[in-house]
Amino acid sequence: AQSVAQPEDQVNVAEGNPLTVKCTYSVSGNPYLFWYVQYPNRGLQFLLKYITGDNLVKGSYGFEAEFNKSQTSFHLKKPSALVSDSALYFCAVWSYGGATNKLIFGTGTLLAVQP
Amino acid sequence: DVKVTQSSRYLVKRTGEKVFLECVQDMDHENMFWYRQDPGLGLRLIYFSYDVKMKEKGDIPEGYSVSREKKERFSLILESASTNQTSMYLCASSPTDSFYGYTFGSGTRLTVV
Repeated sequence: AQSVAQPEDQVNVAEGNPLTVKCTYSVSGNPYLFWYVQYPNRGLQFLLKYITGDNLVKGSYGFEAEFNKSQTSFHLKKPSALVSDSALYFCAVWSYGGATNKLIFGTGTLLAVQP
Repeated sequence: DVKVTQSSRYLVKRTGEKVFLECVQDMDHENMFWYRQDPGLGLRLIYFSYDVKMKEKGDIPEGYSVSREKKERFSLILESASTNQTSMYLCASSPTDSFYGYTFGSGTRLTVV
């Protein structure tokens, strides 16, 4: 069965420092991987996705993610964190099966950027 | 700009009431989903629909039902609201093609008193 894991409930980083939010996945076949961000009392917003091609994917707000097939990881990164990046981040993998396909979400990682 | 619109941002209902949460999308997407989000539990899938009048149970369907009479609208129904259904409810839609991922609504924060 397809699954995704976010091993850290919270990541703390100082403003201006690089940040990494970790995600590992388990799928049969080629993975389709996504990152979403959620600001307080809002819905989830799409950040970026990996379907195929270059292992480094660039997305919204200066975020990027690196697909690593051997480590089955898809970590979210940003070279220089902003206080406004503080939010809840979800990794997701596409799951095939049944009458419809759907995304399987991780449990989320709260990113706290200190000024 | 494409949208998924949830009818209410905040809702307060009494225990035992029948509650309707409405979700409308303007992207002609085939698939629609209802999730609830609680601290420490992540997103939990309640129901989803892959076509008009079709529905499938997700991970936590108990106490909920859904209706999809038109392609653009997916309603979540709490037959008899209880305090343990106090939560953030998120609607999402997607095309059949898995490349696109989901588009989410802004969420409805439901409080049952």
